[in-house]
Amino acid sequence: DGGITQSPKYLFRKEGQNVTLSCEQNLNHDAMYWYRQDPGQGLRLIYYSQIVNDFQKGDIAEGYSVSREKKESFPLTVTSAQKNPTAFYLCASSARPANEKLFFGSGTQLSVL
Amino acid sequence: GNSVTQMEGPVTLSEEAFLTINCTYTATGYPSLFWYVQYPGEGLQLLLKATKADDKGSNKGFEATYRKETTSFHLEKGSVQVSDSAVYFCALMKTSYDKVIFGPGTSLSVIP
Repeated sequence: DGGITQSPKYLFRKEGQNVTLSCEQNLNHDAMYWYRQDPGQGLRLIYYSQIVNDFQKGDIAEGYSVSREKKESFPLTVTSAQKNPTAFYLCASSARPANEKLFFGSGTQLSVL
Repeated sequence: GNSVTQMEGPVTLSEEAFLTINCTYTATGYPSLFWYVQYPGEGLQLLLKATKADDKGSNKGFEATYRKETTSFHLEKGSVQVSDSAVYFCALMKTSYDKVIFGPGTSLSVIP
């Protein structure tokens, strides 16, 4: 089955720790995205990548970093500089940039210990 | 800037009731408009879309009409089912942008 796989489903971060969320897709999509979902605030774009080895900041990139070394993978690191990391993180992909049909993973819930 | 506003939830309806979830947008030009749905514990799925004024998107009994004059894209369904319980997101995309802008989401609970 083609799709997007996010792992882990639940993740806990200690004070001062960096954590990495995994996102893998086997849809052969060019574009990938990371969104943060907070209750009552909808989805906010963190980073996006239109092609391998290229990525751009979204609306709330501070405290996060990404890489896009392979087409199928777009990991997100939540650094210690992100002071309020507790949220639900969603990874998405689209066949090409500016294609409105986004395919989403099932998300990672990050909590602070 | 571009933005999407939705009616606040949660919305609770009895099975077979009529559903309307209001959505209005702010954008220049003619954006494409979408409704995405998020079932509990899952990611979002595209429910329907409309790409120009007066277009009607429809899927699974849900409908929404692109109203340029009122900058709206309200979601409707004539008879909801318990399985429709989910969070519904209105969204837009400008052709000149390479990202989708989401509204805050509206939670719907349908009770038997």
